[in-house]
This record gives sequence, C-alpha cells and structure tokens, in this order.
Amino acid sequence: EAGVTQSPTHLIKTRGQQATLRCSPISGHTSVYWYQQALGLGLQFLLWYDEGEERNRGNFPPRFSGRQFPNYSSELNVNALELEDSALYLCASAVGHYTEAFFGQGTRLTVV
Amino acid sequence: QQQVKQSPQSLIVQKGGISIINCAYENTAFDYFPWYQQFPGKGPALLIAIRPDVSEKKEGRFTISFNKSAKQFSLHIMDSQPGDSATYFCAAHDYKLSFGAGTTVTVRA
Repeated sequence: EAGVTQSPTHLIKTRGQQATLRCSPISGHTSVYWYQQALGLGLQFLLWYDEGEERNRGNFPPRFSGRQFPNYSSELNVNALELEDSALYLCASAVGHYTEAFFGQGTRLTVV
Repeated sequence: QQQVKQSPQSLIVQKGGISIINCAYENTAFDYFPWYQQFPGKGPALLIAIRPDVSEKKEGRFTISFNKSAKQFSLHIMDSQPGDSATYFCAAHDYKLSFGAGTTVTVRA
C-alpha cells in the first residue's frame, strides 16, 4: 500500500513569489494535515482538511492557504514568500478524525 | 505556546543502554499520545502510541509509560542500537497533533 506522497521533493523560490506544494494521502484516508518544520525546530501545525473542508488552522498568516480535492489530495499554497518560510513542509493523512496519522517525506522549500 | 514539553533536548547513550525521553502536557482534552521517529531529511514515522486509559505499552524494544494524574508520559528505548540514532518527537492529540520540541538521540557503538 502506498504511503503519503508529497511533491515536489525540493522547491526553490524567490522572495515574494508563490509556492504550491502537493500531497496525496494514503488510500482511504480523508483527513490531511499540514505542518511546518523549520530547521532545528519542532513541527508547527498549519492546516487541517477533512472531507474537502478546512477544519482548523494554526497560528500562521493568511498567505498560507490550501485546499482539499474530491479525491482527498491536498495542496498548500504560500503567497508572498518570505525568507523565514524556508522549511520542510510535511503532510500527514489519517482516517477522518481518527488519531493515527502518517507523514509523507516532506517538501523542502527554500526561499532565496 | 508549547502544549507539550519534551526533555531532554538531546542525549547520548552507549550501545545496549537505555534511552529515556520525557514529555508533559496540560490539556486534559488530549486523548491519544504517539511517538514519532525522524531521520535527517525524512518525514516522521509513527513509532508507538498510547491512550490515556492504559499505563504502559510495549512494542519490541520501545515502551511508553503514561501517568494520567501527573500528565506525563515517557518513551524508553531498551538495548539501544546505533540504528536508533534519530530525533524522537512526542505528540498529543485533540483535533490535531501537538508536538514536543524533539530529542536527538545518539547511540555510540
């Protein structure tokens, strides 16, 4: 069974540009969570999508947004990129609100 | 505000020794407590998890101890191996997972 897949693996953007990150959950999982892991720091909760709806968001500015598609895959968009947005962005999927969450390998975003 | 406090930040253990990582929380709404293992450049992998109605859970060399009244839980890695060298995160779940800051474990051969 395929795990959570994220694309691209690496992304380099210039300050002020927009970045789009993608996540495909494990088959049968309807919830997708996005986390930011800055270098040397822990995992900070960004967004939670379930059944196509945004259910909750963490303490991040509105330029961090996303959506979940009918097939439960998800997209994270970061607008007006800033240098401090450079981080590993992790997607996790779970069966609805069920607690066992599995992570993808992440997208390494570098803003220059 | 860190909802889950994790210690130590790092630890070094000899091969065959025991690694112990501690976490504490305040939110009594948390209903599930997993531990994740992360290697450099990789996403976190679910290692072991426990629910608050259980005081201990063991899977192979990994054991979680849970103290509901003290709002603390810990991970014990028995017979530590060099392949266990990684960063370990505790987490607690309400509608999302809140993570501790992580513990870097180094196992010396």
